[in-house]
Amino acid sequence: SQTIHQWPATLVQPVGSPLSLECTVEGTSNPNLYWYRQAAGRGLQLLFYSVGIGQISSEVPQNLSASRPQDRQFILSSKKLLLSDSGFYLCAWSYHWRGGGNEQYFGPGTRLTVT
Amino acid sequence: GENVEQHPSTLSVQEGDSAVIKCTYSDSASNYFPWYKQELGKRPQLIIDIRSNVGEKKDQRIAVTLNKTAKHFSLHITETQPEDSAVYFCAARRTSGSARQLTFGSGTQLTVLP
Repeated sequence: SQTIHQWPATLVQPVGSPLSLECTVEGTSNPNLYWYRQAAGRGLQLLFYSVGIGQISSEVPQNLSASRPQDRQFILSSKKLLLSDSGFYLCAWSYHWRGGGNEQYFGPGTRLTVT
Repeated sequence: GENVEQHPSTLSVQEGDSAVIKCTYSDSASNYFPWYKQELGKRPQLIIDIRSNVGEKKDQRIAVTLNKTAKHFSLHITETQPEDSAVYFCAARRTSGSARQLTFGSGTQLTVLP
């Protein structure tokens, strides 16, 4: 079965510091991968998605970036955090094949607080 | 692009009553509509989904209906229980591209009162 991991689970960082969040998927190959952000009490904002190694699409321009160095690894980064970057960051995956299921599954999330 | 509107934003029901959450979408080419349940501090969990080739799908106390002509779909929870209390999100899938991105509604906070 497929499993998605995220770490760290929680993070407190000062404004202006760098960020690196990691997401890995087990049990499938060539998944589509997604990064979402959820502000407190708010909805799910799609930040980035990737259909393959090195292929990143950005949905919202901001001070965040994403990379996919390996097939099942997705990294969210920032060089300088802003207060507004605080939130619950969720990684998700779905099958890549065109005729396959469209289900999208979320990781456990990283709760980021920028102070 | 796709736009999904969800209402109500909050819903309180008595235990045992039914709850209905409604969503509308804008892209008539959307063909996949999942519903997620998110408990406080947890990840969203897929609870049911429907594809555009069917009008209704049921799984025990949960059902989803789809009206393609009107471009709306609804989640129905019968015999609600306190553990149904959570935020529910609807979503619709864009058909363009290979990334299968979902567009989410803004969520409904459901509270089931004992």
